[in-house]
Amino acid sequence: DGGITQSPKYLFRKEGQNVTLSCEQNLNHDAMYWYRQDPGQGLRLIYYSQIVNDFQKGDIAEGYSVSREKKESFPLTVTSAQKNPTAFYLCASSTIGTGRYNEQFFGPGTRLTVL
Amino acid sequence: AQSVAQPEDQVNVAEGNPLTVKCTYSVSGNPYLFWYVQYPNRGLQFLLKYITGDNLVKGSYGFEAEFNKSQTSFHLKKPSALVSDSALYFCAVNLFLMFSGGYNKLIFGAGTRLAVHP
Repeated sequence: DGGITQSPKYLFRKEGQNVTLSCEQNLNHDAMYWYRQDPGQGLRLIYYSQIVNDFQKGDIAEGYSVSREKKESFPLTVTSAQKNPTAFYLCASSTIGTGRYNEQFFGPGTRLTVL
Repeated sequence: AQSVAQPEDQVNVAEGNPLTVKCTYSVSGNPYLFWYVQYPNRGLQFLLKYITGDNLVKGSYGFEAEFNKSQTSFHLKKPSALVSDSALYFCAVNLFLMFSGGYNKLIFGAGTRLAVHP
C-alpha cells in the first residue's frame, strides 16, 4: 500500500446523498485509476486519468464522477445516481509511457456502505 | 473478448501441503499476466508477474506461477502452504491500449479465496 493513501477507510452514506472518496499518491505517477470491488466479481474499472485535468470513463462509470486538478490527487464522487453504491473502492496509480507495461500500485481501499 | 477466468471460488489446503490457484486467460497477442493478493479490508499487494522469458516466474512469499501458452494458463503455486497465506487471490492480464498516448488496462479474474488449515 505504500505511496497511495485513501480516506476514509470506512464510509457510511444515506440514500440520496453524494459522497467523495479521497485518493492521494506521492509516487510521482502520471496515471491514476479507480476500481470497484464486489464479492465474486473481481475489480472493475470506474475511471482513469493519465494527466492533470483529463480523465476517461472506464467500464462502469455511470453514477460516478472524478476530478484531476493535481497530479497527486484523484478524488471519486459517488452520486445519488449510482443505484447500488455499497462496495469496496480501490485507487491505483502507475507511470505511463511508450512501454507496454506500467505496473499499477494500489491503495488500501475505502469501504462504502449505504444505509 | 479479453477475459480472465479463475474457475475456483475457494481452495482449501492443509498447512504444509502444496497449493495451486488456477487462472486461465483469453487475450489477443502476448499477455502480460499478474497475481495479486488481498487480505481482509486491504488493498491489493503485488505477488508476481510474467512479461516475457522463463515460463516459471518466482515472486514474493515463496509463490511462483507457471505460464503455459498452449493452455492459456497462469496457475499460482507454492510448495508448502502456510496458514498466513489465507487470503483472496486475483489473477489479472494487462492490456495496452494505444489511444490517448498509451494506457494500461488491467482485466481481473473474479478472485479465489485460499483457506489454509492448520
